[in-house]
Amino acid sequence: GAVVSQHPSWVICKSGTSVKIECRSLDFQATTMFWYRQFPKQSLMLMATSNEGSKATYEQGVEKDKFLINHASLTLSTLTVTSAHPEDSSFYICSARDMGRGNYGYTFGSGTRLTVV
Amino acid sequence: DAKTTQPNSMESNEEEPVHLPCNHSTISGTDYIHWYRQLPSQGPEYVIHGLTSNVNNRMASLAIAEDRKSSTLILHRATLRDAAVYYCILAKYGNKLVFGAGTILRVKS
Repeated sequence: GAVVSQHPSWVICKSGTSVKIECRSLDFQATTMFWYRQFPKQSLMLMATSNEGSKATYEQGVEKDKFLINHASLTLSTLTVTSAHPEDSSFYICSARDMGRGNYGYTFGSGTRLTVV
Repeated sequence: DAKTTQPNSMESNEEEPVHLPCNHSTISGTDYIHWYRQLPSQGPEYVIHGLTSNVNNRMASLAIAEDRKSSTLILHRATLRDAAVYYCILAKYGNKLVFGAGTILRVKS
């Protein structure tokens, strides 16, 4: 089935630095990918829709200058958390849909646990 | 996209069937009903989805009410590995998935 690989699985960074998270579709092309964040014991919150070759669409309340999304190819989207602060510590998850296999729904990455110290 | 309502939590015995309900009274004709589940510290996993007719796959069955205002995810024989948060989500074809609170399923051995 469709596989989405997310890297790194966890990262610790210092406050004020930037962190890049990669999301790759391994066996299919994804013109659209989605980024979520999840705080402990809460549900997933959609942050943005990443579109290949164009600007991302951010959900209301998500700072586009803080969470930079680049979708430069049909198999790779990146999320960069800029000038990270402790309140950005969260579980970040990406997903994509293989439009060529309409019966398989959306595939999610395994998530990235970001801790800002 | 229309909202869904699920119970906060449910409990089941191992090897017994589990019926997870979902209400979506404001569903539109083009909304697909999706079910995903999430284990702790993992990304969500696709379970099943449907539009109007009941659906079966190797993981579960999806029973959709005739008026489409509710649906039920059926796990035929719950195992300890089925303990997870189950999300019922409505979305139009190809659209983003917006997650609600979901149902925490606990499975007792």
